[in-house]
Amino acid sequence: QVQLQESGPGLVKPSETLSLTCSVSGGSVTNYYWGWIRQSPGKGLEWIGNSYYSGGTKYNPSLKSRVTVSVDTSKNQFSLKLNSVTAADTAVYYCVRHVGRWGFDYWGRGTLVTVSS
Amino acid sequence: QSVLTQPPSVSAAPGQKVTISCSGSSSNIGKNYVSWYHQLPGTAPKLLIYDNDKRPSGIPDRFSGSKSGTSATLGIAGLQTGDEADYYCATWDSSLTAGVFGGGTKLTVL
Repeated sequence: QVQLQESGPGLVKPSETLSLTCSVSGGSVTNYYWGWIRQSPGKGLEWIGNSYYSGGTKYNPSLKSRVTVSVDTSKNQFSLKLNSVTAADTAVYYCVRHVGRWGFDYWGRGTLVTVSS
Repeated sequence: QSVLTQPPSVSAAPGQKVTISCSGSSSNIGKNYVSWYHQLPGTAPKLLIYDNDKRPSGIPDRFSGSKSGTSATLGIAGLQTGDEADYYCATWDSSLTAGVFGGGTKLTVL
């Protein structure tokens, strides 16, 4: 059974960089797309971006200039970096695995990141 | 304002069938695949349907998905109290070049 686990700071200061890692267990990152989705408190879901295991990324245009998603096959994990954060980036961040043409079949439990000084 | 439009809430009695609609446009649902998720409070969303009508292993056939034109529909038969959750549709938008979600529908099993 594939399991995903997010890790990283729960508090980030405004203008700094949010960095999260998703560790994958029970399966390999090889041959899949991996991505990130966030959910602001009490709000809906927002797609952030994804990366194929060997490279090739897609990002939400609303975040594109600030976001990087990368996969580390040697560590069987992938990561999210979001620069120049503001309070609007406060959300629960989920790491996900893509399935089929469009679906996310495995999700991490989510990690709350608060942007505040 | 979400790119995909879902009704804010639906309700039905246990054992009945309910459908949840997801309306989009020619740049998203009209030319791309749709997936559906449900989310219990405080938990991560769970995949119910992907690629319009495919069920992941472990998802009972009470859950069904369909797509027609620029709309998609999730059907849930034999409603159970445990089905009470928020339901989201999602797809790729070729104009926005981004994944997009519906605003969510809260299902109440009366």
